[in-house]
Amino acid sequence: AQSVTQLDSQVPVFEEAPVELRCNYSSSVSVYLFWYVQYPNQGLQLLLKYLSGSTLVKGINGFEAEFNKSQTSFHLRKPSVHISDTAEYFCAVSSSNDYKLSFGAGTTVTVRA
Amino acid sequence: DAGVIQSPRHEVTEMGQEVTLRCKPISGHNSLFWYRQTMMRGLELLIYFNNNVPIDDSGMPEDRFSAKMPNASFSTLKIQPSEPRDSAVYFCASIQSGKLEAFFGQGTRLTVV
Repeated sequence: AQSVTQLDSQVPVFEEAPVELRCNYSSSVSVYLFWYVQYPNQGLQLLLKYLSGSTLVKGINGFEAEFNKSQTSFHLRKPSVHISDTAEYFCAVSSSNDYKLSFGAGTTVTVRA
Repeated sequence: DAGVIQSPRHEVTEMGQEVTLRCKPISGHNSLFWYRQTMMRGLELLIYFNNNVPIDDSGMPEDRFSAKMPNASFSTLKIQPSEPRDSAVYFCASIQSGKLEAFFGQGTRLTVV
């Protein structure tokens, strides 16, 4: 079984400032890692994913994340946020032998002008 | 493709009534998932189907919940009888075999009064 811990429940940030959202996972098997974004009253949308290969993955809307196997982390970053990045962000993990996604508790990002 | 389609978007029902939530996955996707989202418990996987067959229903909270997938283009989640603690947003998601990216519907916001 796998699990995900998102270390920050709320992250306030000013417009054009950088942001980092922290995610740690645990699993006894190889994993795939994902970040999803949920805008108010919407479903979840994939930002980026790590399956294999380069540990730095780039996603949509200028986001990127780095997979660190030794620290079992997959932190999400954006160098300069916009007001429109205000949303809830979920880190998720699935194992190499099924498609089930296990989600973290989510991090609410609020971008202020 | 229109994406994953869920209906209704909102449902308000009285305690004890039967509730049926519907999902149409993306055409060609052969895995389907039902998730429940609440403030207290976050995103929980209820059940998932592969090629219309239930693979893992360990997340179904109790016998009042049942899910079916009679064909590749339709699934239902039924709660009978409903209780106030079932109030949540229920999401359906689908995955194409080998692709790993889950596509989510807009969700059904269920309120049981």
